[in-house]
Amino acid sequence: EVQLVESGGGVVRPGGSLRLSCAASGFNFDDYGMSWVRQAPGKGLKWVSGINWNGGSTTYADSVKGRFTISRDNAKNSLYLQMNSLRAEDTASYYCARRLEAAPGTDVWGKGTTVTVSS
Amino acid sequence: NFMLTQPHSVSESPGKTVTISCTGSSGSIASSYVQWYQQRPGSAPTTVIYEDNQRPSGVPDRFSGSIDSSSNSASLTISGLKTEDEADYYCQSYHISNQENWVFGGGTKLTVL
Repeated sequence: EVQLVESGGGVVRPGGSLRLSCAASGFNFDDYGMSWVRQAPGKGLKWVSGINWNGGSTTYADSVKGRFTISRDNAKNSLYLQMNSLRAEDTASYYCARRLEAAPGTDVWGKGTTVTVSS
Repeated sequence: NFMLTQPHSVSESPGKTVTISCTGSSGSIASSYVQWYQQRPGSAPTTVIYEDNQRPSGVPDRFSGSIDSSSNSASLTISGLKTEDEADYYCQSYHISNQENWVFGGGTKLTVL
């Protein structure tokens, strides 16, 4: 069964840091690009960041550029999101998603991990 | 900036057919694949349509996707509505000039009553 399981969410103060992880199973992880998508409470979905199959290419939404870093470890079938200089507006559920082979988009989502930035 | 516009809400009765639209702000939506995601209350999103009209395994054929180039829009059609289809639905695509920036529509709340 194809599965993505996020972890690492929690409560952090403004300006703090957090590292999210996503464990993949049931497919050849290093065949796929991966992305993070977030959803603020009561709001819609927003793409955050993406990475290609080998980590050689990364992209970010303007709202997180310079503060967040996406990475992956294919030997561990894992995706990461290092989040620094966190702001209240980063409060959201963060979802890991497997990129489609033929298009920017996803066919597999994780269940998400929640990040709350509050003093 | 490229945007996708969806109706805020739609409602229909069980057994009926409903169509949710997704209109691109610029360019040609036909040049970029469109995906549709379902999100039930309190749950993570799931994919119901990818690459305009493809269904992931396990998604019933009551769900279908289409593109209308003349109106620069995509549509998700759900036939034989069931109460379990009540959810938020999001379209997603990208602009051909910035392919790795996924763009989501604002979401449509489907009520099955």
